[in-house]
Amino acid sequence: ETGVTQTPRHLVMGMTNKKSLKCEQHLGHNAMYWYKQSAKKPLELMFVYNFKEQTENNSVPSRFSPECPNSSHLFLHLHTLQPEDSALYLCASSQDGAGGYNEQFFGPGTRLTVL
Amino acid sequence: GQNIDQPTEMTATEGAIVQINCTYQTSGFNGLFWYQQHAGEAPTFLSYNVLDGLEEKGRFSSFLSRSKGYSYLLLKELQMKDSASYLCAVRDSNYQLIWGAGTKLIIKP
Repeated sequence: ETGVTQTPRHLVMGMTNKKSLKCEQHLGHNAMYWYKQSAKKPLELMFVYNFKEQTENNSVPSRFSPECPNSSHLFLHLHTLQPEDSALYLCASSQDGAGGYNEQFFGPGTRLTVL
Repeated sequence: GQNIDQPTEMTATEGAIVQINCTYQTSGFNGLFWYQQHAGEAPTFLSYNVLDGLEEKGRFSSFLSRSKGYSYLLLKELQMKDSASYLCAVRDSNYQLIWGAGTKLIIKP
């Protein structure tokens, strides 16, 4: 595997279900991100982890719970979601503090539908 | 508040040139990024500007004017595969990316 991978690619869940999204980066980066992408809206930053420590939580509802067990893996645990949470969830990684652009590399996303 | 504005949709002809504008108002500035996102795929990095001026990379160029809070992405010799959304993002004083909603570019034969 190369780059940033995400599983599953598609997920349909009911409002009472519990599910998890997984992200893995194979780039040796030290920062990982969760974004929400809704149609015709800007990317919304949800969570940021630097060196496995959460550094940003942009007022995200508690029904979204992130977990970063190591610098290569990131999870987003979902429970009691609402239909308005249906969106594309993107994971990204970057190498921060090492000079250069520090651009973010994105995974293909998980298309989430909440019924 | 922080804001990034770019046109929602643009149409251009194969072989032509198109310019996609981006204006921004952010708390601080630490660089501007352009990303390309094909439908159903991940955004991919295109360019980065932190100083005023033009950065050229093959058929794509990106311009920045920090005093005007303005950037554009210039695509030359358009190909059908350039049909995609183009996202403008500014890194603010906290080193977080503030994103525009993206410009959907439609290329016609």
